[in-house]
Amino acid sequence: EIVMTQSPATLSVSPGERVTLSCRASQSVSTNLAWYQQKPGQAPRLLIYGASTRATGIPARFSGSGSGTEFTLTISSLQSEDFAVYYCQQCDNGVTFGGGTKVEIK
Amino acid sequence: QVLLVESGGGVVQPGTSLRLSCAAAGFTFSTYTIHWVRQAPGKGLEWLAVMSPDGTVKYYADSVKGRFTISRDNSKNTQHLQMNSLGAEDTAVYHCARQGDTYRWFFDYWGQGTLVTVSS
Repeated sequence: EIVMTQSPATLSVSPGERVTLSCRASQSVSTNLAWYQQKPGQAPRLLIYGASTRATGIPARFSGSGSGTEFTLTISSLQSEDFAVYYCQQCDNGVTFGGGTKVEIK
Repeated sequence: QVLLVESGGGVVQPGTSLRLSCAAAGFTFSTYTIHWVRQAPGKGLEWLAVMSPDGTVKYYADSVKGRFTISRDNSKNTQHLQMNSLGAEDTAVYHCARQGDTYRWFFDYWGQGTLVTVSS
């Protein structure tokens, strides 16, 4: 099973700041990686797929990069509605999710 | 718009069974692959199972293989998850999710989920 590790577990940031979230795979997943945003009581929302392609309706402040085992989700200027938990997910071999990064208000 | 609505959750005793349903609307259900993903309270996401649009191919996570069975009825735009021999470790919100690509298993739409609580 491919293990996905996200860091940090929690990130305290102020609105307007640039945020970088990391996701590492235990073996190469090429660019078969997606990012999701989840708010309390809600279903996950697809942000990025193919490591860097924004899903329909996702604001341009969200961007994804990386390939192989190292991936990054960047939020260029954090808005109030972006405080949430973010998960990465590999789909190169089956499906596994990272443990999530909680982005909280500083 | 695309809608996925899960139902069938509830409180059950250990060792019993439950059947979840996922009703789809707003897209051509018979051409899309639907997965099941669960989330234990306060925990992360765990992929469970998938069935191909024509129902011929099924895959399960090791944690549920032999206990859970996935099925679908394309005439009713519905997919089901039959869960047997439930244990406390199966307590979670169960989501169905639409595969967003023909070949890659990422999920572009999710249902809100149905809560399953296994407790004596």
